[in-house]
Amino acid sequence: EAGVTQFPSHSVIEKGQTVTLRCDPISGHDNLYWYRRVMGKEIKFLLHFVKESKQDESGMPNNRFLAERTGGTYSTLKVQPAELEDSGVYFCASRRQGSNYGYTFGSGTRLTVV
Amino acid sequence: KQEVTQIPAALSVPEGENLVLNCSFTDSAIYNLQWFRQDPGKGLTSLLLIQSSQREQTSGRLNASLDKSSGRSTLYIAASQPGDSATYLCAVNTGNQFYFGTGTSLTVIP
Repeated sequence: EAGVTQFPSHSVIEKGQTVTLRCDPISGHDNLYWYRRVMGKEIKFLLHFVKESKQDESGMPNNRFLAERTGGTYSTLKVQPAELEDSGVYFCASRRQGSNYGYTFGSGTRLTVV
Repeated sequence: KQEVTQIPAALSVPEGENLVLNCSFTDSAIYNLQWFRQDPGKGLTSLLLIQSSQREQTSGRLNASLDKSSGRSTLYIAASQPGDSATYLCAVNTGNQFYFGTGTSLTVIP
């Protein structure tokens, strides 16, 4: 099966601009997650979709971040306006329904805000 | 709140040596634990998934153990090779999300 696909792989934007990251999960995986790793820190949870519904968005840093998953397929994560501290690697992961299944991660999008 | 710690932060070993990476977590109420490998600039590759009811899982030269009651997991790598050089991450699944450690950076010297 195809893996989790993320694009772009890299993005460099100026402070104040808008960036949209996209994640295509594995087909049939109802659960989709966004995680982020900022420099020197551990990977941290941002939010969790079950199909098109937000199950948990407790990890979203602030209201400059907006995630959507229209139709329960791919997801987008928009940062508007971007700040310097938003720089990091954004990972998407998907998982089958059922807590015993493991996660499959994408390769990540490296975001640099200058 | 779940906290995951990985020790050591970095490890350098000569090729052929067996090694153990350690992961500890504070809350034993987990569904499973997953070990990942991350190569520089790359995504996370799943190595082993061990369910909360299991004690260990094996894949090739890798063996992961889990002691849920004491909040510990180990990843054993046998006969290390230069291609094993990467960052190894431990992640604990609480059912709602993963909690990650900061990883162990492994270098295997030819």
